[in-house]
Amino acid sequence: EVQLLESGGGLVQPGGSLRLSCAASGFTFSTYAMSWVRQAPGKGLEWVSTISDVGSSTYYADSVKGRFTISRDNSKNTLYLQMNSLRAEDTALYYCAKKGSGYEFDYWGQGTLVTVSS
Amino acid sequence: QSALTQPASMSGSPGQSITISCTGTSSDVGSYNLVSWFQQHPGKAPKLMIYEGSKRPSGVSNRFSGSKSGNTASLTISGLQAEDEADYYCCSYAGSSRDVFGTGTKVTVL
Repeated sequence: EVQLLESGGGLVQPGGSLRLSCAASGFTFSTYAMSWVRQAPGKGLEWVSTISDVGSSTYYADSVKGRFTISRDNSKNTLYLQMNSLRAEDTALYYCAKKGSGYEFDYWGQGTLVTVSS
Repeated sequence: QSALTQPASMSGSPGQSITISCTGTSSDVGSYNLVSWFQQHPGKAPKLMIYEGSKRPSGVSNRFSGSKSGNTASLTISGLQAEDEADYYCCSYAGSSRDVFGTGTKVTVL
């Protein structure tokens, strides 16, 4: 059974940093691209970032480019999101999602909440 | 990259069918057959219902079907049931390993 478990969320002041983690199990982690998708309170889904299966290629939404860094450790079956220069508008539930062979987000974690506020 | 456009809300009676539209551009929906649809119940993670435009993952009811015409994709829910009441989001590949989601549609079963 595929499982994705996010952690690392919390309350942070504007301009601060936070690192999210996503522990994966139930599939061969190193053979699939992975992504982060966020959802602000009461709002819709927003794609944030994707990393290739071996971690050699990374992609970002314009809203986070230059501030967020996605990475992965295939030896630990873990996905990361380093978030710097956080803004109030980054407040959201951050989901880790697995990319399927057809490029779809086929499995999702339960999310970790990031709140940016002074 | 702007969000794909969906109706904010739709409703139907049990047993009826509804079709949710998802309008993008020639740079996303119109260029790729890589539209997916997600169902999200309150407080829950999104669940994949349709991928590659019209394919259903294992375990998803055949009451859910997807299609595309030009820059607009559609999700049809047939034989509406109370458990179908949820938010629905479309998502399209937008090139260069980027994805774009729709604005979301709240479906109410009357």
